Amino acid sequence: EIVMTQSPATLSVSPGERVTLSCRASRTINYNLAWYQQKPGQAPSLLIYGASTRVTGVPARFSGSGSGTGFTLTISSLQSEDSAVYYCQQYDNWPPLTFGGGTRVEIK
Amino acid sequence: QVQLQESGPGLVKPSETLSLSCSVSAGFIRSYYWNWIRQAPGKGLEWIGYIHFSGNTNYNPSLKSRVTMSLDPSKSQFSLKLNSVTAADTAVYFCARALSSGWYYFDLWGQGTLVTVSS
Repeated sequence: EIVMTQSPATLSVSPGERVTLSCRASRTINYNLAWYQQKPGQAPSLLIYGASTRVTGVPARFSGSGSGTGFTLTISSLQSEDSAVYYCQQYDNWPPLTFGGGTRVEIK
Repeated sequence: QVQLQESGPGLVKPSETLSLSCSVSAGFIRSYYWNWIRQAPGKGLEWIGYIHFSGNTNYNPSLKSRVTMSLDPSKSQFSLKLNSVTAADTAVYFCARALSSGWYYFDLWGQGTLVTVSS
């Protein structure tokens, strides 16, 4: 099973600041990584797939990068509505499909 | 626009079987991969498995011995059965769609339904 590790667990950031979230895979997953945003009481929402392809309608301030075992989700200028938990998910080697433990982004 | 909606009992007794259904609007059930994912309170996401219209299934090895998924095209629904439940199975259960076996991410989700396992 591929273990996905996200860091940090929680991030507190001021509006307008740049945010960088990390996701690491226990072995190489090529570019087969997706990022999701989950707001309280809601289902996760797909932001990025293929490590860097943004879903239609997702603001351009969200970007993904990385390959192999190390990946990053960047929010270039944090907005208040970006307060959420962000999850990464690998789909390179499965079953099982696996998610990271999540990073909570809070607004200062 | 395709929508997913979970339904089923919110309370299940220990050792019994959890049964949930997911309704797929707009008649798209004949394509795609239909999944169940759960999230224990305050925890992360756990993939349970999928069923394809062809009848093919694939389950998380950690749950495989207790999971059965089925699909009813006439009702545009797919279902989850998880037997011998314990308190550890208490979670919000989401149904979700994946587009293809190669690009296996979830682009559409139901709102989720909380299932509590308690006597």
